[in-house]
Amino acid sequence: EPEVTQTPSHQVTQMGQEVILRCVPISNHLYFYWYRQILGQKVEFLVSFYNNEISEKSEIFDDQFSVERPDGSNFTLKIRSTKLEDSAMYFCASSLAGSSYNEQFFGPGTRLTVL
Amino acid sequence: DAKTTQPNSMESNEEEPVHLPCNHSTISGTDYIHWYRQLPSQGPEYVIHGLTSNVNNRMASLAIAEDRKSSTLILHRATLRDAAVYYCILRDNKKGGSEKLVFGKGTKLTVNP
Repeated sequence: EPEVTQTPSHQVTQMGQEVILRCVPISNHLYFYWYRQILGQKVEFLVSFYNNEISEKSEIFDDQFSVERPDGSNFTLKIRSTKLEDSAMYFCASSLAGSSYNEQFFGPGTRLTVL
Repeated sequence: DAKTTQPNSMESNEEEPVHLPCNHSTISGTDYIHWYRQLPSQGPEYVIHGLTSNVNNRMASLAIAEDRKSSTLILHRATLRDAAVYYCILRDNKKGGSEKLVFGKGTKLTVNP
């Protein structure tokens, strides 16, 4: 069964450093998402991406964040200058279409630890 | 986003049915009812969704009240692998609506052997 994959599984970085989290969505999917979950808290939406542009973003997704689909298969989330509060699990998801009856498939997540 | 209310936690015994309730009294006519679950240390996983009629799939059944103000996710025979946090999420189907999933705190299901 096709699945969303994410690398690395765990990333440790120093505050102020740039990180890039990588995702490979399911191959025929057209919509891509990033969510995050701070330890013990709810899963929060960050951004959705369709047709090579951001279609929606949350208040969390400020200028320090960016997304890219560099090569038609990978989908990346970049945090330009990490802060302690960016420590969280980051989940990538994809869906065939953006309509509300389409399920989103989630990856296993990348645990980001900012020291 | 329309709000849902779920119990914080529920407990079940292995191989018994589990009924997970969700209240969504402010649901609009264009909202789909989705259920996702999150197993420990994993990403969320789609379970089922419906609009008005009851739905069945290989994982679960979804019973939707006639007035659509509540729904129940039914696991017919709980296994230890079903221990997870279950999220009831409304998604608006109107044109131009948001694609995002809005997660609440969900219901933490414990399955006892």
